[in-house]
Amino acid sequence: KAGVTQTPRYLIKTRGQQVTLSCSPISGHRSVSWYQQTPGQGLQFLFEYFSETQRNKGNFPGRFSGRQFSNSRSEMNVSTLELGDSALYLCASSLGQGPHEQYFGPGTRLTVT
Amino acid sequence: QKEVEQDPGPLSVPEGAIVSLNCTYSNSAFQYFMWYRQYSRKGPELLMYTYSSGNKEDGRFTAQVDKSSKYISLFIRDSQPSDSATYLCAMSHDSNYQLIWGAGTKLIIKP
Repeated sequence: KAGVTQTPRYLIKTRGQQVTLSCSPISGHRSVSWYQQTPGQGLQFLFEYFSETQRNKGNFPGRFSGRQFSNSRSEMNVSTLELGDSALYLCASSLGQGPHEQYFGPGTRLTVT
Repeated sequence: QKEVEQDPGPLSVPEGAIVSLNCTYSNSAFQYFMWYRQYSRKGPELLMYTYSSGNKEDGRFTAQVDKSSKYISLFIRDSQPSDSATYLCAMSHDSNYQLIWGAGTKLIIKP
């Protein structure tokens, strides 16, 4: 079974721009969670989608948004990029019912200049 | 105070040693406990998953949960240089399955 895939793997953007990241979960998984990982803050939860609905949300500003499609694929968008948004963005998928054994993709490394 | 505390390390041990990695937590409602391993520039991968208290063994890895002390451990026997990575603990409870993460401990196994 194919794992979680994320595109693109690397991205360089300029302050003020916006960016869209994509995640394809493991086949059959209906939940997708997004995380931001930085050396200083560790792994921080952004949001979780289950069956196209946002089920949980972390403590991030409204510039961070996401959505999930009927095939469970998910996208997250960051508008008006700031230097502090430079991070590894990780997507994780799970079956979605019950406790979350999450399976991570390789991440998208975003650099904002 | 964070809900889950984990020493960031680094923890450096010689090859072949037994490694002990730990997390403490404050929420007594946590029932599901997981350990993830993350290599540099990769996503975390699930290593061990336990429910409630007790031990679980998988090869060289043993996960231990002590709910009375709100303390979980991951033991690695016969450690190898390939075990060098960051180890993250994560946990959740019955009413909300969202995972709460530790900061991760960087482990270095010296040949």
